[in-house]
Parts: sequence; structure tokens; C-alpha cells
Amino acid sequence: QVQLVQSGAEVKKPGASVKVSCKASGYTFTKYAMHWVRQAPGQRLEWMGWINADNGNTRYSQKFQGRVTFTRDTSASTAYMELSSLRFEDTAVYYCARERPGYLDRDFDLWGRGTLVTVSP
Amino acid sequence: EIVMTQSPATLSVSPGERATLSCRASQIVSSSLAWYQHKPGQAPRLLIYSASTRATGIPARFSGSGSGTEFTLTISSLQSEDFAVYFCHQYNNWPLTFGGGTKVEIK
Repeated sequence: QVQLVQSGAEVKKPGASVKVSCKASGYTFTKYAMHWVRQAPGQRLEWMGWINADNGNTRYSQKFQGRVTFTRDTSASTAYMELSSLRFEDTAVYYCARERPGYLDRDFDLWGRGTLVTVSP
Repeated sequence: EIVMTQSPATLSVSPGERATLSCRASQIVSSSLAWYQHKPGQAPRLLIYSASTRATGIPARFSGSGSGTEFTLTISSLQSEDFAVYFCHQYNNWPLTFGGGTKVEIK
């Protein structure tokens, strides 16, 4: 079954880091780029960046540059998103999303169910 | 960054009726526009890409139109499973951005 399974909910204190995983199954992991998107309560979806699952190249949204790191483990078909120096406003549901293959196409044909990250004192 | 504005925020529709959702971009995004359906606790589902191409397995009652800055998603005859939040997404420019969503609810 083609799916993305994300890790479970996290509660972190301000200043801490969180690492969310996204395990792919049912397709060749390295053939697709993976994006990360988040949605804070009452807010719209916010794109964080993407990773080339084949070579590990990354591109980050300027908003998160310096605070977010995307990695992947090809042997485990898993992508990771690590966000550091957490703030209350980082409380959100974090999604991984597979990029649909196509020249210059950056839409997402497969999403995870999301991981709730709560930043609380 | 490109701001995507969706309207209305909430749409009340009876089953079997037609629903028309709008998405406007603050700058031209060509046809690099996707629509998604999102139900609580589920993964978002790609409906339309390139403004008007249905994704694999999407029923024909879903259609997309538009280019440039104005886009429309039409659901020709709403089924019970279509009540959800719908959001648009532009991928013509970095950063990628999303609309605020339209909630389609039962009238």
C-alpha cells in the first residue's frame, strides 16, 4: 500500500528540538522528492521546504532557514524533519508530502496524516 | 510571496447540488495550481493539478478551471463523502503557498 506514515505526537518545551519521521512504503523512496508542510491552529498550511530523497539536496523556506533540517535514510525509506529552538508559535501539525513527478511540478500526490507538535512550558 | 485567497470561507450545500469554490492568487501563477481535499484526521488528498487535470482516481464530478490568477474548483453534484475542507496551492513560485481553505458543509 502506497502511504506515508508519520511518527507520533510530541510535546516539547520552548528552546528544545523536535524530530519528526515520515516512513514511505509501497513505492521507490528515492524516486520522489519529499516536502514538509505545517499548519498551526487556525492558520493556513505553510510550506517549510523539501528534500531530494535520492541525493539529499534540500531547499528550505526562508522563514525556517537555520532552524530546520531535513534528512533521509534511504535504507529505511524514511524522511526526517528536525526543528530546533522551538517557540510557542511552532505548535502545529506537521505533514510530509510526496511531490508528484513532473517537470517543474511541485504539487503533492501523497501526504502523511500529520504529526502534532505542541510547544508548552 | 504569493498570497492565495479562497472564497467563500464556508459553503453550505445540499447533497446533489453543485458547489463552486474560488481561489485567487496575488500574482500570476500560470497553471501551476493544485486543489486538495482534507478531512479531519486524514491525509490531504490531491484532486486537481495543473489547474484542470484530475489526479488519479478522482471522480469526474470534480473539475478545475482557470489560469493566471483566478481559479475555480467545481463539484458538480455533491456526495456525502465530499463534505470537507478544500484548499488551493500554487507552485509556480517559491515559497510554495496555500489558500486558507473553503469548508464545504451540509446545508
